Amino acid sequence: AQKVTQAQTEISVVEKEDVTLDCVYETRDTTYYLFWYKQPPSGELVFLIRRNSFDEQNEISGRYSWNFQKSTSSFNFTITASQVVDSAVYFCALSETFSGGYNKLIFGAGTRLAVHP
Amino acid sequence: DAEITQSPRHKITETGRQVTLACHQTWNHNNMFWYRQDLGHGLRLIHYSYGVHDTNKGEVSDGYSVSRSNTEDLPLTLESAASSQTSVYFCASSERGGGNEQFFGPGTRLTVL
Repeated sequence: AQKVTQAQTEISVVEKEDVTLDCVYETRDTTYYLFWYKQPPSGELVFLIRRNSFDEQNEISGRYSWNFQKSTSSFNFTITASQVVDSAVYFCALSETFSGGYNKLIFGAGTRLAVHP
Repeated sequence: DAEITQSPRHKITETGRQVTLACHQTWNHNNMFWYRQDLGHGLRLIHYSYGVHDTNKGEVSDGYSVSRSNTEDLPLTLESAASSQTSVYFCASSERGGGNEQFFGPGTRLTVL
């Protein structure tokens, strides 16, 4: 069965520290997608990134970077030089993929990041 | 601009009452989903739909139902509300295809007393 594990329930850092959020997944599919979403204190869910199972290149977007490693079934998210505005709950998710355009998401439990001034 | 809306944003109800949460999207997406968010569980899938008249059960579907009579709407009904259904409910939609991200509504906070 598919499963997503975010072992870090809460992380607290001081501004400008680098922080890595871990995500480990389980799937028997050979084709799948991984996502990260951010949920700031206001409550909405914001899409951050998508990665398909055939693309193991790391991704960098400003202070955000993602490290996808199929060998360890991990899709970790690093924030460099964290800022108070990064304080949020971050969710990693796995998409089950079937023919016909189906895309159910399986979410991890989330990691609450608190960045202190 | 296209969007996905939920109503009401907050609801307090009593045990045993029927409650319907509305979800409306103007993206013209085929795929729509309902999740509930509880501490320690992340988001869990309740029901989903891949098109008009198509509905499917998710991992926590007991006590909930949905119907899809048009592309834009997927209302979620709690047949007989229970205190265990106190939660934040999110609706989402997406285009067809496993790699497409889901767009989420703002959420509905439901309290069952």
